[in-house]
Amino acid sequence: SQQGEEDPQALSIQEGENATMNCSYKTSINNLQWYRQNSGRGLVHLILIRSNEREKHSGRLRVTLDTSKKSSSLLITASRAADTASYFCATDERSGAGSYQLTFGKGTKLSVIP
Amino acid sequence: DTAVSQTPKYLVTQMGNDKSIKCEQNLGHDTMYWYKQDSKKFLKIMFSYNNKELIINETVPNRFSPKSPDKAHLNLHINSLELGDSAVYFCASSQVPTSGGVGTDTQYFGPGTRLTVL
Repeated sequence: SQQGEEDPQALSIQEGENATMNCSYKTSINNLQWYRQNSGRGLVHLILIRSNEREKHSGRLRVTLDTSKKSSSLLITASRAADTASYFCATDERSGAGSYQLTFGKGTKLSVIP
Repeated sequence: DTAVSQTPKYLVTQMGNDKSIKCEQNLGHDTMYWYKQDSKKFLKIMFSYNNKELIINETVPNRFSPKSPDKAHLNLHINSLELGDSAVYFCASSQVPTSGGVGTDTQYFGPGTRLTVL
């Protein structure tokens, strides 16, 4: 079953603006991750936030996690044309001895206009 | 060097055929995965596998079978291909942390294999 749900489905902004994407999930999690997918490419890990963390930064990325609302947000500041991609949140489920299974949302397609 | 590689990148085949997609990781990870991404970009786990356990998503038809000749490889074999199997298939790997051990929950993805069934 689908865990993460991103919002909005598509976002178009001007270069230099900030982009905010949201993710909601349904069950308890150990951590939540954000991935980026450029067109025709595989997913690239951006940032991981654990369930006991509320905010995390990495360069121009800022992720927040609200476990009471079961939601997370990804903020990209000072966006660049190269940030154009689809962004997915993923939640983990420990599925057995030594395996994690990530459940991905449908993604937010971000377009940054130069 | 490519961390997770897949071959082929594109695969076009007729309905009813049997095909395989290969995946190799050079990261020394102990867990590998296969995902299916449909036309709406929805990414769904199919299998996760390490030397201890194969976890199969219950919605995956038994026409799909992962085969692991060694720790660095997890190939995906598909029998009797159907039109609905058309999708992009991604391989991924991770080093799953064990109690007191090292590793992260981060998964590293291959570039994908676009399968088209005619």
